[in-house]
Amino acid sequence: AQSVTQLDSHVSVSEGTPVLLRCNYSSSYSPSLFWYVQHPNKGLQLLLKYTSAATLVKGINGFEAEFKKSETSFHLTKPSAHMSDAAEYFCVLKTSYDKVIFGPGTSLSVIP
Amino acid sequence: NAGVTQTPKFQVLKTGQSMTLQCAQDMNHEYMSWYRQDPGMGLRLIHYSVGAGITDQGEVPNGYNVSRSTTEDFPLRLLSAAPSQTSVYFCASSFPSPGTTGANVLTFGAGSRLTVL
Repeated sequence: AQSVTQLDSHVSVSEGTPVLLRCNYSSSYSPSLFWYVQHPNKGLQLLLKYTSAATLVKGINGFEAEFKKSETSFHLTKPSAHMSDAAEYFCVLKTSYDKVIFGPGTSLSVIP
Repeated sequence: NAGVTQTPKFQVLKTGQSMTLQCAQDMNHEYMSWYRQDPGMGLRLIHYSVGAGITDQGEVPNGYNVSRSTTEDFPLRLLSAAPSQTSVYFCASSFPSPGTTGANVLTFGAGSRLTVL
């Protein structure tokens, strides 16, 4: 079965400190993985995507994610959090040519 | 470019009423889809379409109907609203289908917040 797990429902960091949002997946074939961000009362915006090229993927706003097949993980990181990073983050797995599965989301709070 | 436009942004219904959530995109995208977002559950796929005249069910299709008569429009119909359908609904599109190698990623609308009393 294909699934996406986001290990933390809520993460709180201080401004200027690193961000780590964890995502694990289960897939019976080579996955395509995405991270989306949703700011309050807004739609979803793509941060980055992995489609079997480089395992370290750089996205917008200083975010990056590393695909680790041995750990079935695709964790999202950022070296230094900014207040504007406060949002909901979704890890997403492609299951077939026309369907995707969203993780439950991680809410990121940034403390001044 | 307007992207993906959803209307209405907010709607309150009584149990048993019907309504249609509209979704339109001006990017000539083949693939369109509807999701509902509920706290702690991420986004769940309701219905999707890979082209005009073609629709299929997603993870949670019960209580919802869709049609795709044109490339641009993909309305979501609630025939008899229930309180369990209180949610935020998102329409998304891509060209080609989102899982296709090299595909563009999903472009989302701003969402429609539905409350069923």
